[in-house]
Formats: sequence, C-alpha cells, structure tokens
Amino acid sequence: GAVVSQHPSRVICKSGTSVKIECRSLDFQATTMFWYRQFPKQSLMLMATSNEGSKATYEQGVEKDKFLINHASLTLSTLTVTSAHPEDSSFYICSANNLQRINYGYTFGSGTRLTVV
Amino acid sequence: GQQLNQSPQSMFIQEGEDVSMNCTSSSIFNTWLWYKQDPGEGPVLLIALYKAGELTSNGRLTAQFGITRKDSFLNISASIPSDVGIYFCAGQLSSGRDKIIFGKGTRLHILP
Repeated sequence: GAVVSQHPSRVICKSGTSVKIECRSLDFQATTMFWYRQFPKQSLMLMATSNEGSKATYEQGVEKDKFLINHASLTLSTLTVTSAHPEDSSFYICSANNLQRINYGYTFGSGTRLTVV
Repeated sequence: GQQLNQSPQSMFIQEGEDVSMNCTSSSIFNTWLWYKQDPGEGPVLLIALYKAGELTSNGRLTAQFGITRKDSFLNISASIPSDVGIYFCAGQLSSGRDKIIFGKGTRLHILP
C-alpha cells in the first residue's frame, strides 16, 4: 500500500514550452502533496506544498507563476513548468501524506527527469 | 530557516564493514526520518523516529533520535553491495502534515 505514481518519468522539451508533471496517490487519499527539485549530486529541495482544494504554498525563492501547482482531487497533484529554460532541467519528485498512516513518513514518487533543450 | 547538516558527505568502505552517519540541526525537530535514494529513483523511507532518545532498528539498520531533538544518527551493520546509494536524513516539525526538510545526503560506496 501507499504507492505514489509520478508521470512522466522522463521528458525532454524545447526551451519556451510548458511541461506538466502528474503525481498520483494510487491507493490512498492525500490532502497534502509536496513537490521537490533535485539537481545532480544534491539534496531534495522543497519547492511547494500542494493542498487539495486550495492554493499551493511556495517556498521562498520559488516562482509561483513559473511552477504552477494544481491539486484538484485527493489523489492528484500536477506541477506545470511554464516557459521552461535549460536551467529548469532537473529531477522533480513529489511526495504525499497518507492520513491513515501518518506515522510512516511520506511516500515519494519515483521522480521525473526534465531536460530542457 | 531550518538547516540539516549531514556527515560524512561520502564514505568508501569494504563490504562487511559497519557504517555510521549523522545529522544535526540548528533547530528542534519532533520527527526524524532516514531515507535511501537509488539513482534515478525517489527516496524510500528506512526508519522513522518520533520520540527524543528513541532507538529504532530495521534489520541491519539502527537509528536514534537525539535527546536534544537536534540530532540523529544512522548505523548500518555488516554492509552489503545493495547498501550502495545516497542516504538522507530528514526532519519534520510534527508527523502527519508538516513539510519534510532534507539533509545534504551521505553517498555510500562499497569497494570491491
């Protein structure tokens, strides 16, 4: 149980285009999901907290107009990287909390490797 | 903001050796978590700690929640090749809903 699916696993896009990444909780409902970005050989940096039915909370320094987050249901959050540039190339990872298993930490997706060319 | 200092940054050990890594924080956390990340994958939870002083084991892994709530360590006994990867400590103000802040990671290498 407690599986988080992330799609796509890899995406290559042209500079200036937008890319949407999906994060789904497959067997539980998640009122809160988190989006992280990880550059090579670095740690996971929290970008934003996605709240079902309300606006996302962004960490300091993260542009909310560039990284659009939508959490329309209890099982799906999406991150859209708008007008992508090569410096946005990174590994994006989502995580979700399972309220029925709150003492088990958050479950992470397997990540999305974004390459902007 | 909250910062986690994780050490060592990397380790090179022989198979069968024990491993120890630790994490300190500038502020108090009420939950400490240890994750392992394999290349190209998301992190997987190894051990979760909820009480100051708590010592918890998961197979060959043992982790402790420091008394001050500002530190934690992870030990791996009798390392095997599949232990290779990046280990992250993470802190959370409380369990359940709070965001998780990650340390910089410890990269474990096992020499042939």
